[in-house]
Parts: sequence; structure tokens; C-alpha cells
Amino acid sequence: GAGVSQSPSNKVTEKGKDVELRCDPISGHTALYWYRQSLGQGLEFLIYFQGNSAPDKSGLPSDRFSAERTGGSVSTLTIQRTQQEDSAVYLCASNRGTGELFFGEGSRLTVL
Amino acid sequence: KQEVTQIPAALSVPEGENLVLNCSFTDSAIYNLQWFRQDPGKGLTSLLLIQSSQREQTSGRLNASLDKSSGRSTLYIAASQPGDSATYLCAVRLGGGGGADGLTFGKGTHLIIQP
Repeated sequence: GAGVSQSPSNKVTEKGKDVELRCDPISGHTALYWYRQSLGQGLEFLIYFQGNSAPDKSGLPSDRFSAERTGGSVSTLTIQRTQQEDSAVYLCASNRGTGELFFGEGSRLTVL
Repeated sequence: KQEVTQIPAALSVPEGENLVLNCSFTDSAIYNLQWFRQDPGKGLTSLLLIQSSQREQTSGRLNASLDKSSGRSTLYIAASQPGDSATYLCAVRLGGGGGADGLTFGKGTHLIIQP
């Protein structure tokens, strides 16, 4: 596609439920990043994929968070047993290695 | 560990003024630096990317400069307009990658242009 696409744009869930957030990067972009942005805060790095290499999971806040990237393209971020502190905007970005970084519009998650 | 600081955290100026936003970083071994704008409730939009070998980049009314040795970048906005109101973030990428692929973001400058 023309840009980084994220879905859903908004998700409201109940505490304890699992959620999946999807990111479709720009075609041909080998690198894909997930960030989290809480209200009024800066970007918090979560996970990074580069081609077929093992992902850098160093930013995942707990083992309730996981992500995969299938076929080097679409990525899914899964949050299990959601907590209220997981409420945030989850941003996905992609680029060709170390080039210009492009972001999606984000998925706003609200945990009640 | 790379630290990126953006000063001021917030800025309000009348329409038509020229203004400068600042981004400083502690580790000068950078590969590139990128400026973004973020509108409320939206993702980040790329404005300018400066490679470590470059001194500046221009796009329309925007000009970004880079001084690696002093660990500073500035974003100059000429003839500001109300539509420029947004949060402006800089991101620095270290050479050689590393955690988070060597990317560190500043917390941003919240800019308001008064009509």
C-alpha cells in the first residue's frame, strides 16, 4: 500500500481480555517497529523486526506482550490478559533498513 | 546510552513569526536524524531526514540543520501558520544499530501558532 496501515484504529476491551493489533508496512520495507505512546507521553519502544533476523524484543514490558511478523510483511502485536495500564496508542513504523521511517496512524487501545 | 532532549517542551507564537525548535543528543556517533510532526490523535508524519554527512535539509518553509560534533539539530520554520500547530519530535539513529535498532526519540516540542 501507499503507507503504513494499522487496524483497528480504535479498540475498547474489558480488563483480562486478549487483543490483537495489526500492522501492514509499506511494501518492500524490511524493518518494522512497534511503539507505545501513553497519553501526553513520549514514544516507548516495544519490538523491532528486520528481515528474517530474530526480533529485538527488548522493549516488551511483560510476557503478556508478544508480536510476530509473517512472511516478512504483516505484523501482529498481541496483548494477553489486558490491564488498564495497557491503555495507550500503539504505533507501527517501517523503513528500508536505516532509511526514512514512516509511521501508521496508530491503534488506540482502551482497557476498561 | 543515547539521550535526546528537545527544548522547549512547549512554545506558543503569533502567526507569521519565524521560529526554531531544538534537538540535542549525547552520543554524536549518529547515522541520521529525522524530524517528525504529530497532530493530536494521529501518527507521526516524517518532515525531514538528515544523514550524518549532511549539514542541512530543506522542504518548503522547513529547514533542518545538523551539527554532529556539538550534538545538536535545529528545525527552522519560516512564516509560521496556524496549520503548523502540532507536536514536533526528533529521532536520532546511532551508527551500528543496537537496542531498538539504535533509534532514540525526543519527547517533542508542543507548538501552538496563534492566529
